Amino acid sequence: AQSVTQLDSQVPVFEEAPVELRCNYSSSVSVYLFWYVQYPNQGLQLLLKYLSGSTLVKGINGFEAEFNKSQTSFHLRKPSVHISDTAEYFCAVSQDSNYQLIWGAGTKLIIKP
Amino acid sequence: GAGVSQSPSNKVTEKGKDVELRCDPISGHTALYWYRQRLGQGLEFLIYFQGNSAPDKSGLPSDRFSAERTGESVSTLTIQRTQQEDSAVYLCASSFKYSNQPQHFGDGTRLSIL
Repeated sequence: AQSVTQLDSQVPVFEEAPVELRCNYSSSVSVYLFWYVQYPNQGLQLLLKYLSGSTLVKGINGFEAEFNKSQTSFHLRKPSVHISDTAEYFCAVSQDSNYQLIWGAGTKLIIKP
Repeated sequence: GAGVSQSPSNKVTEKGKDVELRCDPISGHTALYWYRQRLGQGLEFLIYFQGNSAPDKSGLPSDRFSAERTGESVSTLTIQRTQQEDSAVYLCASSFKYSNQPQHFGDGTRLSIL
């Protein structure tokens, strides 16, 4: 069965420092990959998605992610974080044959002043 | 255009009562999903509707939970005889049919069972 692993439940980082949130998935077929952000007391919002083409995907709020097929990873990065990036980040995967998303458990990004 | 709308935003009720949660998806979105998110946890899939096809109810935790959707319109999630462990945020999402389409989420209903 397909699965998504977010290796870190929490990532503390100082303001203006770079950050990487890790996501690995298990699938032997073509997948579509998504990162969502959930700010406190809100629903989830799409950050970025990989469907095909360039493996480096840019999203909103200065985030980007790189699809690595050989390592089955889709790590999220930002070169310089702000206090406003404090949120929980979810990685999700879908396949052509299935409209549903498989979700990771989420990573809480904690920005230290 | 309008996003996914959920109501009520907050619901407090006594144990044993029934509750009904509503989701109004984005117009044109044939797929609709319900999720449960317990405090500090990830998303737990509950049910999935796709057009007029039979829904995927595989995530419903017990027979106290049910959901309805008529065509591509509003959906309601009903929890009967609520228990304290039902306390959570219930999130609804909608999307276009295809698997490469992202889901769009409402802000959720925060359900508290006393």
